Amino acid sequence: GAVVSQHPSRVICKSGTSVKIECRSLDFQATTMFWYRQFPKQSLMLMATSNEGSKATYEQGVEKDKFLINHASLTLSTLTVTSAHPEDSSFYICSAITLAGFQETQYFGPGTRLLVL
Amino acid sequence: AQSVAQPEDQVNVAEGNPLTVKCTYSVSGNPYLFWYVQYPNRGLQFLLKYITGDNLVKGSYGFEAEFNKSQTSFHLKKPSALVSDSALYFCAAFRGSNYQLIWGAGTKLIIKP
Repeated sequence: GAVVSQHPSRVICKSGTSVKIECRSLDFQATTMFWYRQFPKQSLMLMATSNEGSKATYEQGVEKDKFLINHASLTLSTLTVTSAHPEDSSFYICSAITLAGFQETQYFGPGTRLLVL
Repeated sequence: AQSVAQPEDQVNVAEGNPLTVKCTYSVSGNPYLFWYVQYPNRGLQFLLKYITGDNLVKGSYGFEAEFNKSQTSFHLKKPSALVSDSALYFCAAFRGSNYQLIWGAGTKLIIKP
């Protein structure tokens, strides 16, 4: 149980294009999803907290107009990197919290490697 | 300020030996503490957590962690290391709002055959 998927697993795009990353909770409903960014050999950086049906809460320093988050259902949240630039290249990971059971435990997707050329 | 510290960037252990990955925390209130493991180019997998109760918490893959309130520590342990335990380990604590976590910097665990 508590499986989270991400799609795509890897994406290469040209500078200036937009990229959408999907995060799905496969076998549970998630009221809250988190989006992280991870740089090589570094810890996770929380970008935003996404609650179903409401606007995402962004961490300080994260541009909400650049990183658009939509959490339209209890099983799907999307992160769109708009007008991507090479400095946006990173490993993006989502996580979700279950409605039932232990709500304090985050379950993570496998991550999406973004490379902007 | 609340924080989680993993003082070792890397820990090297011979296969079959016991391993310890250190974590200390500084949070307000009762701590909720977690250990996650990350394999190369993968997301994080939940290992174990301490919420309340016994100070020794048992988790996945034979790992356990000991909560020590006086030392504000939550070290991850395993009695006998496997080469397959080689990965990046993260300690985390509740930030206190909306289930957000404060993350340690991570410790790379290398188990040598």
